Amino acid sequence: AQTVTQSQPEMSVQEAETVTLSCTYDTSESDYYLFWYKQPPSRQMILVIRQEAYKQQNATENRFSVNFQKAAKSFSLKISDSQLGDAAMYFCAYPAVRGSNYKLTFGKGTLLTVNP
Amino acid sequence: DTAVSQTPKYLVTQMGNDKSIKCEQNLGHDTMYWYKQDSKKFLKIMFSYNNKELIINETVPNRFSPKSPDKAHLNLHINSLELGDSAVYFCASSQDLRHYEQYFGPGTRLTVT
Repeated sequence: AQTVTQSQPEMSVQEAETVTLSCTYDTSESDYYLFWYKQPPSRQMILVIRQEAYKQQNATENRFSVNFQKAAKSFSLKISDSQLGDAAMYFCAYPAVRGSNYKLTFGKGTLLTVNP
Repeated sequence: DTAVSQTPKYLVTQMGNDKSIKCEQNLGHDTMYWYKQDSKKFLKIMFSYNNKELIINETVPNRFSPKSPDKAHLNLHINSLELGDSAVYFCASSQDLRHYEQYFGPGTRLTVT
């Protein structure tokens, strides 16, 4: 079974500090993508960052970066210099293979609170 | 310009009614999706369409019927609404089936009373 696991239902961080959200996944594929999505209270799903499995370099988007450990099937999201606007539910996602089709499978999410 | 739009954003209706949610994307994408997000925030795919063709139909009751008049539109019609259908429904699109990066609409909060 291809699954995505986020083991931290909730996390909190002080403004300007750094926080890391964990995600592990299960796959038999060798080439794939991984995503982090953010869902603020407005409920809009926003793509934060993506990682291509064949790239050894960790993806970075401004204050957001990932720690991708392919062998361990781990894909954590690091948010540096946290801001109040980062408060949201964060979802890790993996496009699981189903026959010749792909469907985006989401973890259960981590609710991030940013304290002023 | 809104890339993926949904109407309505809120929908309150009674059990047994039939309702539709509309979705449109102006990204020129070939593939569109419907997701359901339950009260625990769990997101699960319901359907995907590629160039108006149904690709994925998860184990969704047949009261749910997607319709794609063209590749920019994917509507969701729900018959005989039940209390358990209350959720947020998201439409999304991607460039094609192999481009996994998906762009989401703002969601429709459906409440069945």
